[in-house]
Amino acid sequence: DIQMTQSPSSLSASVGDRVTITCRASQSIGSYVNWYHQKPGNAPKLLIYAASSLQSGVSSRFTGSGSGTEFTLTISNLQPEDFATYFCQHSYTGRLFGGGTKVEIK
Amino acid sequence: QLQLQESGPGLVQPSATLSLTCSVSGVSINSTSYYWGWVRQSPGKGLEWIGNIYYTGAASYTPSLKSRVTISLDTSKSQFSLKVNSMTAADTAIYYCVREAYYFGYTFDIWGQGTMVPVSS
Repeated sequence: DIQMTQSPSSLSASVGDRVTITCRASQSIGSYVNWYHQKPGNAPKLLIYAASSLQSGVSSRFTGSGSGTEFTLTISNLQPEDFATYFCQHSYTGRLFGGGTKVEIK
Repeated sequence: QLQLQESGPGLVQPSATLSLTCSVSGVSINSTSYYWGWVRQSPGKGLEWIGNIYYTGAASYTPSLKSRVTISLDTSKSQFSLKVNSMTAADTAIYYCVREAYYFGYTFDIWGQGTMVPVSS
């Protein structure tokens, strides 16, 4: 199985900060990576698909990049509604999620 | 408005079979563009894809659960269902029904609200 290692597992940041979350795949998976965020009590919500494409209706403060084995999600100008848990997911073979990154208020 | 809604029991006993149904509204379940699937979330295992089904009835399952899981489709009711047999405490999780779209890779673009399924006697 292709594993997705997500880091950090948690971080503290302030409103207005720029935040970067990383997922590393155990082998090359092209651009078959999606990013989601999840707020407590809610289902995950798709933010980025195919590594760098912004889902319709999602703020342009979210940017995805990477290919092969390393992928990043960057949140610019962090807003109060962005404090949540973020997950990466690949669909190269099967579907597998990263362990999550909890973004907390500093 | 596109919506997915799970329904099922609030509690499952060990060794019993879990049965969940997802009702789809706002889009045709017969669409050739999408798959209909299930994802679960537990504190110990995080988010885990269970499987999906296409409008033709063809289903795919994650290998670790394949022997215990069946996903089926009822197009007349615009519903799809999940059955997991031989449930144990390790299957305690929030179960989400999802729509999978192919956007250069399979993407979970629509999620139901989720239903918590504790396994306990």
